[in-house]
Amino acid sequence: SQQGEEDPQALSIQEGENATMNCSYKTSINNLQWYRQNSGRGLVHLILIRSNEREKHSGRLRVTLDTSKKSSSLLITASRAADTASYFCAPANAGGTSYGKLTFGQGTILTVHP
Amino acid sequence: DTGVSQNPRHKITKRGQNVTFRCDPISEHNRLYWYRQTLGQGPEFLTYFQNEAQLEKSRLLSDRFSAERPKGSFSTLEIQRTEQGDSAMYLCASSLVGLASNFGPGTRLLVL
Repeated sequence: SQQGEEDPQALSIQEGENATMNCSYKTSINNLQWYRQNSGRGLVHLILIRSNEREKHSGRLRVTLDTSKKSSSLLITASRAADTASYFCAPANAGGTSYGKLTFGQGTILTVHP
Repeated sequence: DTGVSQNPRHKITKRGQNVTFRCDPISEHNRLYWYRQTLGQGPEFLTYFQNEAQLEKSRLLSDRFSAERPKGSFSTLEIQRTEQGDSAMYLCASSLVGLASNFGPGTRLLVL
């Protein structure tokens, strides 16, 4: 399966601390995307990193990609209570009829305590 | 609003009934995906379209599930003879190939 597998499954931190979530996948990708989901709500796209990129930033988010290790990480700096949510990585298939198809793992549940 | 919309937002039905959900994607997006999500799990891929062509359907999807995307615009997902195990959030997403997906708010299905 191509789906991303996030680690840890749950993360609990204090406001102001940094949160790091990891993702591993199995086969070739075109890109890898990170999404956030607040409880009972839809998914919100956070950041997309292409297979030829190693690092990408967006505000307080920093994503890295290591295609040799088939892994990615999402770092949220200076976390806020509003960052409390589930975070999913979604590798996008590299080729064939499944090109660009996203598959999701179980996610990391992040809790930021005020 | 130019986001992805889904209707209805909630559906309660009795076991054995048929239900149909609609997804209106962002107009210029050629890819449309359907996912199912249960509590505590990530979205599970069901099927996806490129324009009007259905490119892939999950092997986990029984023949009670069917999806269409006529004219490459909106899409419908129908579940026939619903079972209690079909209770879940059904998510639709659209994108341009190779770019980020925009998700709709989902349709929450409860089968009694």
